[in-house]
Amino acid sequence: LAKTTQPISMDSYEGQEVNITCSHNNIATNDYITWYQQFPSQGPRFIIQGYKTKVTNEVASLFIPADRKSSTLSLPRVSLSDTAVYYCLVGDIINAGNNRKLIWGLGTSLAVNP
Amino acid sequence: DAGITQSPRHKVTETGTPVTLRCHQTENHRYMYWYRQDPGHGLRLIHYSYGVKDTDKGEVSDGYSVSRSKTEDFLLTLESATSSQTSVYFCAIRPGGGREGSYEQYFGPGTRLTVT
Repeated sequence: LAKTTQPISMDSYEGQEVNITCSHNNIATNDYITWYQQFPSQGPRFIIQGYKTKVTNEVASLFIPADRKSSTLSLPRVSLSDTAVYYCLVGDIINAGNNRKLIWGLGTSLAVNP
Repeated sequence: DAGITQSPRHKVTETGTPVTLRCHQTENHRYMYWYRQDPGHGLRLIHYSYGVKDTDKGEVSDGYSVSRSKTEDFLLTLESATSSQTSVYFCAIRPGGGREGSYEQYFGPGTRLTVT
């Protein structure tokens, strides 16, 4: 069964680049790796997803090595408003019928300091 | 927000009473999900729907039922609420045409449920 591991918390300063890594073994071969951001009292917000190598959008980059056993969310030049909890999400095939189980990480609480 | 609303936003109820939470979306997405979020457990899938009258169980479905009679509404019912069901409940949609193996979802604002 797939499992995800993320650091519980991270600290940074405004203007720095922040990299958050999620380890995930045995994930479904054809599934994407997805990252979310969550602020207090709000629902998670989709940030980025990727299958392999590197994906970049207007808010983040996602690096996925060839073995897909981990992924790294990169936030360039963070600001105070990036203080939030970040979650990785992967899928796992749970039976021969190709049914999947969603595996959420427990989240990384990022604190951006002035 | 992908046009997702949840009601009520807060509810306090007593043990043993039935409770229904509503998720409403305005964009005709096929896939809808109900999660609960608890400290130390993260997000856990309760039930999901892949169309009108088409639903399936998630990993923590015991004590919960769902119904989807219209594309826009996905109801979560706690048949007899227990204190262990005190949680924050989130509804989510997956955009139509999503790639197989894609977990891009958009979440509602959540319902905070307290069972006393």
